[in-house]
Amino acid sequence: GAVVSQHPSRVICKSGTSVKIECRSLDFQATTMFWYRQFPKQSLMLMATSNEGSKATYEQGVEKDKFLINHASLTLSTLTVTSAHPEDSSFYICSASYPRGPRPMNTEAFFGQGTRLTVV
Amino acid sequence: QQPVQSPQAVILREGEDAVINCSSSKALYSVHWYRQKHGEAPVFLMILLKGGEQKGHEKISASFNEKKQQSSLYLTASQLSYSGTYFCGTENKDSSYKLIFGSGTRLLVRP
Repeated sequence: GAVVSQHPSRVICKSGTSVKIECRSLDFQATTMFWYRQFPKQSLMLMATSNEGSKATYEQGVEKDKFLINHASLTLSTLTVTSAHPEDSSFYICSASYPRGPRPMNTEAFFGQGTRLTVV
Repeated sequence: QQPVQSPQAVILREGEDAVINCSSSKALYSVHWYRQKHGEAPVFLMILLKGGEQKGHEKISASFNEKKQQSSLYLTASQLSYSGTYFCGTENKDSSYKLIFGSGTRLLVRP
């Protein structure tokens, strides 16, 4: 299957600093990537859809200025948590799919390994 | 918008069967099933694209009732390796390409 690489796997940062998380599709071009957040023992909550060459589409309730998403190339999307606070501590995970034609999504979403963010 | 899964948790003895249900309030294009182990990324199990479709994957299979906007995952003769949290991901007809994941079902298989 396709490979999506996410980096770093773990990061600890101080309150008020910014953290950048990278998501790369290693063997395919992903025009769209997705960013999720997961709290312990809870579901994956979609934060935003990252579109190559255009602005990200954020889900309701997700702060655009807090979670900056950049999709500069067909293989790389980045999520920057700005001015991090302890409540931003969570597991962040990206996914990507092959470019697709007509609906429905007939290919699986490939997930990165996830990033455990701890803000102290 | 989030699909509802039931049960929330289930404990099985090795060899027993289980059914996990996923229900959406939205019209669906497709349903995806994933299993996640603690601290790891979700692992793909299968996609169901058509109403009435059923698929099998070793001893794990699933069905999709498009009219009822429901899907079920069937685990038969469970193995210890089946332990984890199962998520359904739904692709809604009224939104763009994206998966919305259900609340999750925690499965523990004991020897």
